Order: sequence, then C-alpha cells, then structure tokens
Amino acid sequence: EAGVTQFPSHSVIEKGQTVTLRCDPISGHDNLYWYRRVMGKEIKFLLHFVKESKQDESGMPNNRFLAERTGGTYSTLKVQPAELEDSGVYFCASSQSGASLYGYTFGSGTRLTVV
Amino acid sequence: GQQLNQSPQSMFIQEGEDVSMNCTSSSIFNTWLWYKQDPGEGPVLLIALYKAGELTSNGRLTAQFGITRKDSFLNISASIPSDVGIYFCAGPRSNDYKLSFGAGTTVTVRA
Repeated sequence: EAGVTQFPSHSVIEKGQTVTLRCDPISGHDNLYWYRRVMGKEIKFLLHFVKESKQDESGMPNNRFLAERTGGTYSTLKVQPAELEDSGVYFCASSQSGASLYGYTFGSGTRLTVV
Repeated sequence: GQQLNQSPQSMFIQEGEDVSMNCTSSSIFNTWLWYKQDPGEGPVLLIALYKAGELTSNGRLTAQFGITRKDSFLNISASIPSDVGIYFCAGPRSNDYKLSFGAGTTVTVRA
C-alpha cells in the first residue's frame, strides 16, 4: 500500500511569491490533515478535511493560506503571497474514519524556505 | 489550545545508554502518543497510551501514561545508532484526531 505522498519535498521561494504544496493521502482515507512545524517548535495543526469538506480550519494562520481537496482525493495548500515566517516543514496526514490512531499516517513533509 | 511541554529539548548519548524524556500538559489528555521522526521522514507512531497509569512497551521502548493524565514519559533502553531522530509526544484534542504535539526531543547517539 502506498503511503501518504507529499511534493515537492523541498521548496525555496522568495518573499511575495506563491507556492502550492500537494498531498496525496492513502487511498480510501476520508480524513486528511495538514500540519506545520516551524523550526524547533511543536508540530501545529492547520486544518482537517473529511472527504472534500473542510471540517476544521481553525489552525490556518491567516488568509494567505488556502487549502483545497478537490473530489475528496488529493489536497493542495497554497500560500500566497509567502512571507518569511511561513518557512517550516508542512506535513500532511491521512486516516480512515473509525480507524485506530496507528492508522493515522504522516507524509514525509515539504520543507518550505521563504527568503 | 492544549500545550504540551516536552523535555529535554535535545540529548547526546552514548550507544548503549538509556534515554528518558517526558511531556507535561496543563490540560488532561485521554490518550498520550509518542512519535518518532527520522531525518527526511514524517512522524511515525511508536506507542499509544489510552489509560491513566498504563505502562506499555514496544521492544526497547517503554512509555507510561501519568495517573494525573497530565503527563507521560518515554524511555529507550540500550540505545543504538538508529535511535537518532526527533521524538514527539502528542495527544488528540477533544474527541477527534486533530493532534497537539510537543516541541520534540532530538536524540543524537554517539557510537
């Protein structure tokens, strides 16, 4: 079974530019989560999709961040325009509804550097 | 939100030594989780604890759910080079699977 796939693995952009991160969850997983770790700090929840619907986006930092999950499959997280403080590692995770926490799988992350 | 305070922030240990780290919270958690992140990878769940006072082992790893439900610790016995990485404590917020994480403990093992 393929795991959660994220790309790109690394992205370096200039302040003011736009970046789009993509996450492909495990097939059949209805739940998709985005998290972010800023260097040295905790991994913070950003938002949660159930299929194509945003269940909770309380962790999104501000309106420069836009997440979508078209058709309930893959998800994108767009940052526009990027600021220096947006640098960090963005993780995606997916899970099946009703599954145990051991079925909650993280991707390898996208390391975003804004210069 | 629920904040988890994890310590130590980093540790350098000799191969063969035991490692101990802990996590505390001002809020009660009904589940405590310990994850490990290898370099270049995402966090992987090592141990899940569901009951106050529970002590659970997974190979050389042992974790305990504190009886106050506000703390947990993770021990690694007889460390080996592949134990290097970042260890995170975590817990689900309320009744869903949105997780709160500690800031991580970075473990470096010297041969």
